[in-house]
Amino acid sequence: AQSVTQPDIHITVSEGASLELRCNYSYGATPYLFWYVQSPGQGLQLLLKYFSGDTLVQGIKGFEAEFKRSQSSFNLRKPSVHWSDAAEYFCAVGAADYSSASKIIFGSGTRLSIRP
Amino acid sequence: DGGITQSPKYLFRKEGQNVTLSCEQNLNHDAMYWYRQDPGQGLRLIYYSQIVNDFQKGDIAEGYSVSREKKESFPLTVTSAQKNPTAFYLCASSSGQGRLGNTEAFFGQGTRLTVV
Repeated sequence: AQSVTQPDIHITVSEGASLELRCNYSYGATPYLFWYVQSPGQGLQLLLKYFSGDTLVQGIKGFEAEFKRSQSSFNLRKPSVHWSDAAEYFCAVGAADYSSASKIIFGSGTRLSIRP
Repeated sequence: DGGITQSPKYLFRKEGQNVTLSCEQNLNHDAMYWYRQDPGQGLRLIYYSQIVNDFQKGDIAEGYSVSREKKESFPLTVTSAQKNPTAFYLCASSSGQGRLGNTEAFFGQGTRLTVV
């Protein structure tokens, strides 16, 4: 069955420090992978996506992610975090279903706090 | 502006009552989704729909019902059979290539339902 695992529930980093959020997926076919960000009480906003091609993808707000098929991972990175990056981050996989609508399966999320 | 509108933002329900959450999109998307979000559990799929008059159960459909009479609208009814309905509900849509799993989802701002 398809699944997404985000092993870190909560991470705190200092402002200006680098960030890496981990994501592992389980999916039998070519995965379509996404990272979303959610501010408290709000909907989700897409940060970046991977469909094919270059395994290092760039997103909005200075984020990037690298797809590693051998490790079934799609980790999110940012070289220098800002206080405004404090939010919840979700990794997701698009699961193709040729008999009906496809599903988008989310991980449990990682809450990011920024230390001044 | 194109987007997804969920209403109301806050909703209170008495035990034993049915309540309907509204979701409207003007993005001309074929696929629509309902997710439930609880702290520490990420987003769990309730129902999804690829086309009008067709929808599929997600992972936690029990106690919920949906309809898709129009492309733009995908209302969710939380019935009295749902034993623990207090949660944050998110509606999303994606474009017509959704069967392949390679389209991103656009989210509404959510409805917070509380049982009183």
